[in-house]
Amino acid sequence: RKEVEQDPGPFNVPEGATVAFNCTYSNSASQSFFWYRQDCRKEPKLLMSVYSSGNEDGRFTAQLNRASQYISLLIRDSKLSDSATYLCVVTPLTGGGNKLTFGTGTQLKVEL
Amino acid sequence: NAGVTQTPKFRILKIGQSMTLQCTQDMNHNYMYWYRQDPGMGLKLIYYSVGAGITDKGEVPNGYNVSRSTTEDFPLRLELAAPSQTSVYFCASSQGQGAGGPQHFGDGTRLSIL
Repeated sequence: RKEVEQDPGPFNVPEGATVAFNCTYSNSASQSFFWYRQDCRKEPKLLMSVYSSGNEDGRFTAQLNRASQYISLLIRDSKLSDSATYLCVVTPLTGGGNKLTFGTGTQLKVEL
Repeated sequence: NAGVTQTPKFRILKIGQSMTLQCTQDMNHNYMYWYRQDPGMGLKLIYYSVGAGITDKGEVPNGYNVSRSTTEDFPLRLELAAPSQTSVYFCASSQGQGAGGPQHFGDGTRLSIL
């Protein structure tokens, strides 16, 4: 089983739609969780951290379910500029070095 | 406001050649990382460093070497290039210790081995 698993997509949605991505992780010791965004042929950029209580940043909402070991990202009112690959990222408390484990990403295409 | 700077951006190597990918950051971050990303795949950690003089292997270190003589610089060395090392290489840095610090990435180096 992969450490971090994501549906690769692509998710093709019309502008204005609401779309949700899920991500599962295998290491129950994982302590920190993030969503990164990666545009085509560009570097990953931090979108948001994911907190146990859930958190929201504008149109983006992230949720964590430790019991089921999954993370979700909800995007409301999708914009064309949201088209990108969304990477689920986890890091364990132990092991040091702040190492991140990346999922392979979920591709989102927002269309007119 | 440079952040993390990687050079070169593109490079083509012949099998068996060697080269160094440069990475420098101006944020005074202690932690630095090298990843590779193959098409359609997630990022794989090659090496990382928690401070000057300290490096450690990541998930896929074979065929690579690193050094960290200063806080700012973290070069990645390929000694004998192989076609399997064709990939996009990203350098990153972070401030935080332990779990939780977001990583800042460079633009990447696209390397082809022919």
